[in-house]
Amino acid sequence: AQKITQTQPGMFVQEKEAVTLDCTYDTSDQSYGLFWYKQPSSGEMIFLIYQGSYDEQNATEGRYSLNFQKARKSTNLVISASQLGDSAMYFCAMREGLSGTSYGKLTFGQGTILTVHP
Amino acid sequence: DTGVSQDPRHKITKRGQNVTFRCDPISEHNRLYWYRQTLGQGPEFLTYFQNEAQLEKSRLLSDRFSAERPKGSFSTLEIQRTEQGDSAMYLCASSSPGSEGGTDTQYFGPGTRLTVL
Repeated sequence: AQKITQTQPGMFVQEKEAVTLDCTYDTSDQSYGLFWYKQPSSGEMIFLIYQGSYDEQNATEGRYSLNFQKARKSTNLVISASQLGDSAMYFCAMREGLSGTSYGKLTFGQGTILTVHP
Repeated sequence: DTGVSQDPRHKITKRGQNVTFRCDPISEHNRLYWYRQTLGQGPEFLTYFQNEAQLEKSRLLSDRFSAERPKGSFSTLEIQRTEQGDSAMYLCASSSPGSEGGTDTQYFGPGTRLTVL
């Protein structure tokens, strides 16, 4: 079973509008972390925002915020006031709880390509 | 503070040749990860170092792959007898437990794009 599922291969948004990118995850751990990364065409993975499984508040970081619904195992990224420079691939990733066999590696989804139109 | 750096950025080689990539993590980070990303996919975990110790390896890391982090600083990833299926972006990331408010966020380098002809 997929551990991270991003069901939107591509999304389009008008400049200055808000957009939501979906991500669902599957884990039996109680302690885990959820990350979103942006990957422009240059290839570098840029960290955007983090949500811990025990965090009661939705994470926010500038124009980025998360809609974290733990019971539904979803963590959707909301980008407000989209800019042309937001056009990129966006990945959701999970770090499951540290154990004897898990040292914090990330499991990534397939990604969503976001295109911002002027 | 410089970020994670990787060298080379691009490598073209012929099938059967050996290649070696280098990763320099953020200086205070003791955790180092290698990932592989093929076109249109998310990165997949290859291996993990804590200081100089290689503590976890993925099944993706065949016998032709070897990674080292001899002094707990930079790391190298070597692929022997390259195959066309090895063509991918190889990403390195580093982190430190307790950093970023305890999130242990991984920061990635720019990657090395390998093309095997």
